Amino acid sequence: QTVVTQEPSFSVSPGGTVTLTCGLSSGSVSSSYYPSWNQQTPGQAPRTLIYSTNTRSSGVPDRFSGSILGNKAALTITGAQADDESDYYCVLYMGSGIWMFGGGTKLTVL
Amino acid sequence: QVQLVESGGGMVQPGGSLRLSCAASGFTFSSYGMHWVRQAPGKGLEWVAFIKYDGSKTYYADSVKGRFTISRDNSKNTLYLQMNSLRAEDTAVYYCAKDPLAAAGTRGIDYWGQGTLVTVSS
Repeated sequence: QTVVTQEPSFSVSPGGTVTLTCGLSSGSVSSSYYPSWNQQTPGQAPRTLIYSTNTRSSGVPDRFSGSILGNKAALTITGAQADDESDYYCVLYMGSGIWMFGGGTKLTVL
Repeated sequence: QVQLVESGGGMVQPGGSLRLSCAASGFTFSSYGMHWVRQAPGKGLEWVAFIKYDGSKTYYADSVKGRFTISRDNSKNTLYLQMNSLRAEDTAVYYCAKDPLAAAGTRGIDYWGQGTLVTVSS
């Protein structure tokens, strides 16, 4: 059973840049997996930041960008702000109509 | 603007059934695929099911296959999730979510509802 992998936690300084990644326990992530990134703060519904690798969802600032880096999908946040402190979930298309979420990355801004 | 409003959550006993609804507005509902995603208390997100824009095809996570049924009524702009044979591990907030791809296929999620809580307990 393939698992979608994410860093459990990450920290970034205010104003800094951070790159979160999304991989597979077996194999490489490509644009064919249509990687998507979602942000969630405690007690709130998720919000989509990026879908289809690098398409920003409506209203998402260009500080957030998506890409493929090596064999993983990546979310880069530039100019980190205090309210970027959230959980970030990637989701990948596994084929045959099936999607799979990663376990999430808890981002701390300090 | 896109709005997705879930309803129908509540407490149910193990083995029981529940039907969730999701009222959609702000976009042409009949043109987009739709998803259900859930989140158990203190846990991460889990994709549950997807239905094509016209309802012709449905897809499920292994954890709910054979017990849950996703459906839609495009005349009412409403998405449904019928949940049968519920188990304690189905306890979660259930979110409906819109796919960004119009017509056939899927590209993930671009909008989420606020969620409805389902608790399975005796």
